[in-house]
Amino acid sequence: GEDVEQSLFLSVREGDSSVINCTYTDSSSTYLYWYKQEPGAGLQLLTYIFSNMDMKQDQRLTVLLNKKDKHLSLRIADTQTGDSAIYFCAESMDSSYKLIFGSGTRLLVRP
Amino acid sequence: KAGVTQTPRYLIKTRGQQVTLSCSPISGHRSVSWYQQTPGQGLQFLFEYFSETQRNKGNFPGRFSGRQFSNSRSEMNVSTLELGDSALYLCASSWEQGVFYFGPGTRLTVT
Repeated sequence: GEDVEQSLFLSVREGDSSVINCTYTDSSSTYLYWYKQEPGAGLQLLTYIFSNMDMKQDQRLTVLLNKKDKHLSLRIADTQTGDSAIYFCAESMDSSYKLIFGSGTRLLVRP
Repeated sequence: KAGVTQTPRYLIKTRGQQVTLSCSPISGHRSVSWYQQTPGQGLQFLFEYFSETQRNKGNFPGRFSGRQFSNSRSEMNVSTLELGDSALYLCASSWEQGVFYFGPGTRLTVT
């Protein structure tokens, strides 16, 4: 079946690293994504990873994919107050032309 | 390149009315999909179009419909509005089966 799960809340101190976790159930996922949503805004694509990759790094962002455990994580280095937002994990499959989203993790960065 | 644009950004309608939302994809993108975001249900897939053909549809009543034009612009229509249709409606575009980029959304309030 299709299901994506995330923890609801994460609080970190400014300058620390943040790690947001996600688990998915469908092993036929093609891409896995991380989106950021600020209050009143749409979804901003942060990064994505092919299902045949293990890791992707993009400036302060590192995505790790463990296909065996169906676990995806997003690490934000040197977290800033501007990183405070809701982060959504999502998966897509070539055959369905749609995204399945998690419920979102609210990241609060404390000064 | 300009991003995904959605109009209008905000809309207030009365129960029983109908509404049409518009989405213009990123230039060159031929796939447009629609999502509904509510606090209770999260992000849910409505439908996806590619070259004017609907390729997938989510689990929504027939009051929700959409179409895509030859220039890839898409519209979605909701007839006989209900209070529960109040939501943020997000449009995403992608190139064929590639990565999904979202617009800012249309905030619909039904009174």
